[in-house]
Amino acid sequence: EVQLVESGGGLVQPGRSLRLSCTASGFTFGDYAMSWVRQAPGKGLEWVGFIRSKAYGGTTEYAASVKGRFTISRDDSKSIAYLQMNSLKTEDTAVYYCTRSGFDPWGQGTLVTVSS
Amino acid sequence: DIQMTQSPSAMSASVGDRVTITCRASQGISNYLAWFQQKPGKVPKRLIYAASSLQSGVPSRFSGSGSGTEFTLTISSLQPEDFATYYCLQHNSYPPTFGGGTKVEIK
Repeated sequence: EVQLVESGGGLVQPGRSLRLSCTASGFTFGDYAMSWVRQAPGKGLEWVGFIRSKAYGGTTEYAASVKGRFTISRDDSKSIAYLQMNSLKTEDTAVYYCTRSGFDPWGQGTLVTVSS
Repeated sequence: DIQMTQSPSAMSASVGDRVTITCRASQGISNYLAWFQQKPGKVPKRLIYAASSLQSGVPSRFSGSGSGTEFTLTISSLQPEDFATYYCLQHNSYPPTFGGGTKVEIK
């Protein structure tokens, strides 16, 4: 069974950093691009960023709202994708989901709350 | 960025009703369009990909159509478990963009 599990969320002060992890199982992780999507409380879905597979250079793309602050990386040996979030703002408060190429499936999400 | 305009934003319907949700793209996206269902407190679930392909395990009462800029999600006979929020997503070009969502409520 394909499974994605996010971890690393929590309460953090504005301006601080947090790293989220997305641990995959049930498929050959290195063959797939991975995306992060977030959902602010009571709001819709917002794409955050994406990392291609190594076969396609392992390069990344980001939403304008997080570019320069967030970094996505991957460790194919551990089947983990990371979302490094720096200079966090209150508006980054959301549930963060990871999802495989094609936006299926999704992990259960991890809540990040940015507040003083 | 491509804007996805989803309508209606909310609707009330009865069990057995035929429901249609529309997404309009601000520019052509071929068939790079997916539909998702999200129930309160739950993870989004892909229903349709490539505009009209039904995700494995999704009931056949769900269908998608369209190409270019106009897309439709249809539920042929609404069931109690279908009350949820539905989102479209274009992934033809970066950044991928979601529609604003359609909340389907019980009439």
